Amino acid sequence: DIQMTQSPSSLSASVGDRVTITCRAGQSISTYLNWYQQKPGKAPKLLIYGASSLQSGVPSRFSGSGSGTDFTLTISSLQPEDFATYYCQQSYTTPATFGQGTKVEIK
Amino acid sequence: QVQLVQSGSELKKPGASVKVSCKSSGYTFTSYGVNWVRQAPGQGLEWMGWINTNTGNPTYAQGFTGRFVFSLDTSVSTAYLQIRPLKAEDTAVYYCARGSGSGWDFDYWGQGTLVTVSS
Repeated sequence: DIQMTQSPSSLSASVGDRVTITCRAGQSISTYLNWYQQKPGKAPKLLIYGASSLQSGVPSRFSGSGSGTDFTLTISSLQPEDFATYYCQQSYTTPATFGQGTKVEIK
Repeated sequence: QVQLVQSGSELKKPGASVKVSCKSSGYTFTSYGVNWVRQAPGQGLEWMGWINTNTGNPTYAQGFTGRFVFSLDTSVSTAYLQIRPLKAEDTAVYYCARGSGSGWDFDYWGQGTLVTVSS
């Protein structure tokens, strides 16, 4: 199985901050990397697919980059509704595997 | 619009069985696979496997063989997850999620079903 490792596990930030979350794959996955946002008690929501493609309806302050083993999710200006847990997931092969999550909290 | 609507929370005793439903609407059901994802309390996301809605063929991730069964009723655009016999460690929220069709990314999710296993 391909292990996905996110960092940090949690972070505190203020509204308006630029936030960066990284995800490292245990082997090369090309650009088969997706990012999800999950709020408490809710289902995950697809934000970014194919490492850098914005899912329809997702605000443009979210962006993704990377290829191979190293990937980044960036929120350019954190908004109150962005406080949530973010997961990366590789879709290169089965089993699909997720990172452990990064919780973004209010500073 | 695309929707996946799951059945409600369940409280079961160890050794019993549970069947979670996931009803799809807003798209052609047999054109996209249905995946199942588990989230234990306070934990991350774990892919359980998927079912090909065109052929009915299920694929189970390691750790989800034997007691877990994926099935379909295409006449009502519904996928099912059955677990039996239940164990305490099966307590979790179970999500169904549509495969996007271009890979193993999941573009629409059900709201989740909490299954609690307790004596």
